[in-house]
Amino acid sequence: QKEVEQNSGPLSVPEGAIASLNCTYSDRGSQSFFWYRQYSGKSPELIMFIYSNGDKEDGRFTAQLNKASQYVSLLIRDSQPSDSATYLCAVHGSSNTGKLIFGQGTTLQVKP
Amino acid sequence: KAGVTQTPRYLIKTRGQQVTLSCSPISGHRSVSWYQQTPGQGLQFLFEYFSETQRNKGNFPGRFSGRQFSNSRSEMNVSTLELGDSALYLCASSSTGTDGNTIYFGEGSWLTVV
Repeated sequence: QKEVEQNSGPLSVPEGAIASLNCTYSDRGSQSFFWYRQYSGKSPELIMFIYSNGDKEDGRFTAQLNKASQYVSLLIRDSQPSDSATYLCAVHGSSNTGKLIFGQGTTLQVKP
Repeated sequence: KAGVTQTPRYLIKTRGQQVTLSCSPISGHRSVSWYQQTPGQGLQFLFEYFSETQRNKGNFPGRFSGRQFSNSRSEMNVSTLELGDSALYLCASSSTGTDGNTIYFGEGSWLTVV
């Protein structure tokens, strides 16, 4: 079992719709969770991070965390073609380091 | 506030050569981590430095090494390059390295080994 799993996609949504990206992780001691967006040929860009169970909203983005189910998700409301990218879920483990464990990423396509 | 700066951005090396990549973290950030990204393996953790000490290391051969200086700048070195080392090498800067609530990546160094 991979430590962090994401559906590789592509996930295709129409412009203006809600895109839902999901991620599961195996280490129950994981402390914090990150979502990065990566455009082709570019480096990952931090979108959001979340520590506590529940929802965290930032503009059109909402991160949801359920530690009991070891599940984290990212919702993108009013999706735009410019949101088309690969979304990487990353988990910061229970050890006292800066190490992030990444999923393979989900490719999102927003169609005009 | 300046972001994470990586140099060089692009480089081409020949098999058997060595390469050194540099990273300047965000001002005030003391933790620097390095990652390798390839199409097949995704983003993989190489190592992390905090206050000039390697705090964690990923599953890479000893050809991959790094160091951190007193000003938090970091370098990584790959010796005896192999074709499979062709990848995007990313440096991540973190404010604490513990809860890692602000972990930002530089633009990366694209390494091609021929």
